[in-house]
Amino acid sequence: GNSVTQMEGPVTLSEEAFLTINCTYTATGYPSLFWYVQYPGEGLQLLLKATKADDKGSNKGFEATYRKETTSFHLEKGSVQVSDSAVYFCALGNDYKLSFGAGTTVTVRA
Amino acid sequence: KAGVTQTPRYLIKTRGQQVTLSCSPISGHRSVSWYQQTPGQGLQFLFEYFSETQRNKGNFPGRFSGRQFSNSRSEMNVSTLELGDSALYLCASSLEALSTNTGELFFGEGSRLTVL
Repeated sequence: GNSVTQMEGPVTLSEEAFLTINCTYTATGYPSLFWYVQYPGEGLQLLLKATKADDKGSNKGFEATYRKETTSFHLEKGSVQVSDSAVYFCALGNDYKLSFGAGTTVTVRA
Repeated sequence: KAGVTQTPRYLIKTRGQQVTLSCSPISGHRSVSWYQQTPGQGLQFLFEYFSETQRNKGNFPGRFSGRQFSNSRSEMNVSTLELGDSALYLCASSLEALSTNTGELFFGEGSRLTVL
């Protein structure tokens, strides 16, 4: 079956620190991979995506590369801001549905 | 452009009761999918509706059901509520069905159900 495992939080960082959130997956075939973000008091929104191996998704300074050999899709940002405080979800699209990871809470302190 | 609207935002029920949640998708979106979010299980897929037809269903008991109307609005119903049904229920819409799109779902803020 399909499953997504992402690093547990919470993660607390200082502004301008480097952020990485690990995500690995198990799937049959060729899934698409996504990162969704949920800001406080808001619904989930798509942050970035990659639809095939070696694709790099990027948005708002965040990046993630679809690594088929390691079945990973780690999220990175070089310099975080307080406004990046949110819950981040890794997701896999396959078999006509999306499977989400448990979510990682990130808090950035000024 | 209005986003995905879910009602009610909060509700409290007791065991054995039933509940109906409503979701109005973004105008023009024909796919509506539902998810259950809990601290222990994360986000779990319930079902997806496209053009009034259920296209896919997650691993939930038959107490969880849904439907979609001709205007793409969707409802989900949970009968014989159990304590473990307490969760945030999220609805998401997209232009195309989950089988063909690239995963860009637009989520509502959710309906938080508490079962006492």
